[in-house]
Amino acid sequence: EIVMTQSPATLSVSPGERATLSCRASQSLNNNLAWYQQKPGQTPRLLISGASTRATGIPARFSGSGSGTEFTLTISSLQSEDFAVYYCQQYYNWPLTFGQGTKVEIK
Amino acid sequence: EVQLVESGGTLVQPGGSLRLSCAASGFTFSSYWMTWVRQGPGKGLEWVATIKQHGSEKHYVDSVEGRFTISRDDARNSLYLQMNSLRAEDTAVYYCARGTSSFFAGWFDPWGQGTLVTVSS
Repeated sequence: EIVMTQSPATLSVSPGERATLSCRASQSLNNNLAWYQQKPGQTPRLLISGASTRATGIPARFSGSGSGTEFTLTISSLQSEDFAVYYCQQYYNWPLTFGQGTKVEIK
Repeated sequence: EVQLVESGGTLVQPGGSLRLSCAASGFTFSSYWMTWVRQGPGKGLEWVATIKQHGSEKHYVDSVEGRFTISRDDARNSLYLQMNSLRAEDTAVYYCARGTSSFFAGWFDPWGQGTLVTVSS
């Protein structure tokens, strides 16, 4: 099983600042990584697939990078609606696995 | 508009059975991988099971293998999860999610609103 480890667990950021979230895989994924956003009481939403391709309708302030075992989700200038929990997910191999999530909170 | 609507969640006793359904609309259902993901109370996301187009492949997380069965009815645009021998640790919101239309399962987009399964005596 590929273990996905996200850091930090909680990130305190002020509106307008940049947020950098990390996701590490226990083995190489090539680019088979997705990122999701989940706001309280809401269903998860796809942000990024293929490590760096934004999903339809996702603002350009969200960007994904990385390959192999190290991946990053960057939110360039946090808006109030971006405070949420973010999950990475690998689809390189079965079983599919998620990271434990990073909560982005208001500083 | 692509829509996924889950149903069937309820309170069930340990050892009991339950069948979840997911009604899909707005896309060619038969062309896509489909998946169930769950989220325990206050916890993260856990992949549960995935089924390929036409049901030709099925994959499960180890903790539900042999107890849960994923299936699909392409004529009814519906996805199902038969859950047997339920345990307290199966308590979660269960989400239906669409995969890719490719040869690999891929990412999940979109997700349904979820249905709550509570396993308790």
